[in-house]
Amino acid sequence: DGGITQSPKYLFRKEGQNVTLSCEQNLNHDAMYWYRQDPGQGLRLIYYSQIVNDFQKGDIAEGYSVSREKKESFPLTVTSAQKNPTAFYLCASSMPRGSGANVLTFGAGSRLTVL
Amino acid sequence: KQEVTQIPAALSVPEGENLVLNCSFTDSAIYNLQWFRQDPGKGLTSLLLIQSSQREQTSGRLNASLDKSSGRSTLYIAASQPGDSATYLCAEGTYKYIFGTGTRLKVLA
Repeated sequence: DGGITQSPKYLFRKEGQNVTLSCEQNLNHDAMYWYRQDPGQGLRLIYYSQIVNDFQKGDIAEGYSVSREKKESFPLTVTSAQKNPTAFYLCASSMPRGSGANVLTFGAGSRLTVL
Repeated sequence: KQEVTQIPAALSVPEGENLVLNCSFTDSAIYNLQWFRQDPGKGLTSLLLIQSSQREQTSGRLNASLDKSSGRSTLYIAASQPGDSATYLCAEGTYKYIFGTGTRLKVLA
């Protein structure tokens, strides 16, 4: 079955450490996104990529980095510069605008806790 | 800058009621409007997507409408069931998706 796989599901980080969240999709989608969700809040966009080897900052990119070397993969690194990284991280993908009904499809999420 | 608002933030109804969830957006030049369901601690599941050229979409007991001129979309849930209890989010999709903060629905048995 096609879908998006996020790993790990739970992750604990010590202050000062960088951690990388994995996102893999087999939907053949061109566009991929990373969102952050805090309790009682909506989703905020961190980074998005419309095509391989290209990505753009979202609304809260500071302290995060991404890469898009393969169509299927869009890993997110939470760096030590992110001062409040404890949150639920969601990866999503879609076909690009103009390709028809570009339904946004989500993974199951990764919960990051800073110790 | 596009802003998406959902009111109410929380809603509690008895089983069997028909209900309407609201989503407002500030810029009417949208590409599409998508409704999602989120269960606690889980990812989002797409329910319905309405293209800007459409006025409504239906799936089972769910019906979503779009009125660009008034900047509103509504999600109608018919004959609500306890299994419908979840948070419902709407998102406006242009080049990136802008989400509302969601409506937390509880259907009482």
